[in-house]
Amino acid sequence: RKEVEQDPGPFNVPEGATVAFNCTYSNSASQSFFWYRQDCRKEPKLLMSVYSSGNEDGRFTAQLNRASQYISLLIRDSKLSDSATYLCVVSSGGYNKLIFGAGTRLAVHP
Amino acid sequence: EAQVTQNPRYLITVTGKKLTVTCSQNMNHEYMSWYRQDPGLGLRQIYYSMNVEVTDKGDVPEGYKVSRKEKRNFPLILESPSPNQTSLYFCASSFTGQETQYFGPGTRLLVL
Repeated sequence: RKEVEQDPGPFNVPEGATVAFNCTYSNSASQSFFWYRQDCRKEPKLLMSVYSSGNEDGRFTAQLNRASQYISLLIRDSKLSDSATYLCVVSSGGYNKLIFGAGTRLAVHP
Repeated sequence: EAQVTQNPRYLITVTGKKLTVTCSQNMNHEYMSWYRQDPGLGLRQIYYSMNVEVTDKGDVPEGYKVSRKEKRNFPLILESPSPNQTSLYFCASSFTGQETQYFGPGTRLLVL
């Protein structure tokens, strides 16, 4: 079983749609959680950190469920510019590293 | 401007010809790391460094070497590249290994 699992997609949605991505992780000792965004052939960039109480940044909402070891990202009112791959990232829980999911690809069309 | 830089950005080489990919950061980060990214496999850690002169293996270290003689630099060395090392390589840095990491622009390597 992979340490961080994501649905690879692609998710094809029209502009204005709401889309949700899910991610599960296997290490219950993980303490830090993030969503990164990666555009084609570019470096990953931090989208947002994920906090236990859930957090929102504009159109983006991240949730963490520690009991189920589950992280989600909700994007409201999708824009064409949201088209990218979204990486779920989890700290290793005791080791000094981050574990990256393989990513979920989002394509927003007009 | 805070950044991580990598050179070269693109490289085509032949099997067995030693090469070095440089990585430099200007954020005074103690932690630096190298990843490779292959389709369907996501980012896999090759080596990481907690500080100067402190390096350790990641998940896929075979065929690679690193050094950390200065805080800002963390070069990746392929002593004898093979075709299975054809990949997209990213260097990243952060204050600790479990915080937000900042990535360089990537190095696309093709080994013939």
